[in-house]
Amino acid sequence: DAGITQSPRHKVTETGTPVTLRCHQTENHRYMYWYRQDPGHGLRLIHYSYGVKDTDKGEVSDGYSVSRSKTEDFLLTLESATSSQTSVYFCAISDQGNEKLFFGSGTQLSVL
Amino acid sequence: GNSVTQMEGPVTLSEEAFLTINCTYTATGYPSLFWYVQYPGEGLQLLLKATKADDKGSNKGFEATYRKETTSFHLEKGSVQVSDSAVYFCALTPAGGTSYGKLTFGQGTILTVHP
Repeated sequence: DAGITQSPRHKVTETGTPVTLRCHQTENHRYMYWYRQDPGHGLRLIHYSYGVKDTDKGEVSDGYSVSRSKTEDFLLTLESATSSQTSVYFCAISDQGNEKLFFGSGTQLSVL
Repeated sequence: GNSVTQMEGPVTLSEEAFLTINCTYTATGYPSLFWYVQYPGEGLQLLLKATKADDKGSNKGFEATYRKETTSFHLEKGSVQVSDSAVYFCALTPAGGTSYGKLTFGQGTILTVHP
């Protein structure tokens, strides 16, 4: 299994509070991604990174920011959480940035 | 833009039954097509892929053929097992070399197999 660790695994927070989710990899892969999974929508790309300090927006980036200060860590921040951001968040990594993504086990986030 | 549409679920089958999960896509050119599987409590895993028209991807008894004329990539298995119970996602990456691995997913199909 690819070495991907997401933390926390579960979090409950209140509307308006900031939240940071962490993805840590031990594979030294260049590409990292944050997806959210919602019923009826499958997985949707929030942000991705193609190198240290190189990030770009995905399909549903509003309300989210990311940072990647070193190869192994990719942080997703909700500046002011809203109930619509209640979801399961998955981090993924890719070596070549082409076809095969490896996914973490997910973070269940509930915003009350 | 690109999109992927999967058949509505959930799908419930008995062990050893034949499985088909339909997937159609909208994209320009020749995207790469994938099936990912998500077992309970886990992240997604790549099941199979096809990168050009008429290619057949296969793995663990599952197969899917890239049909450009019908823009489809249906997943099939001849005899399902209880251990195949999972959520199955069809996905694509755009044609060309600058997709950065960004996948567009379908909504997922829940498969439950009973003994």
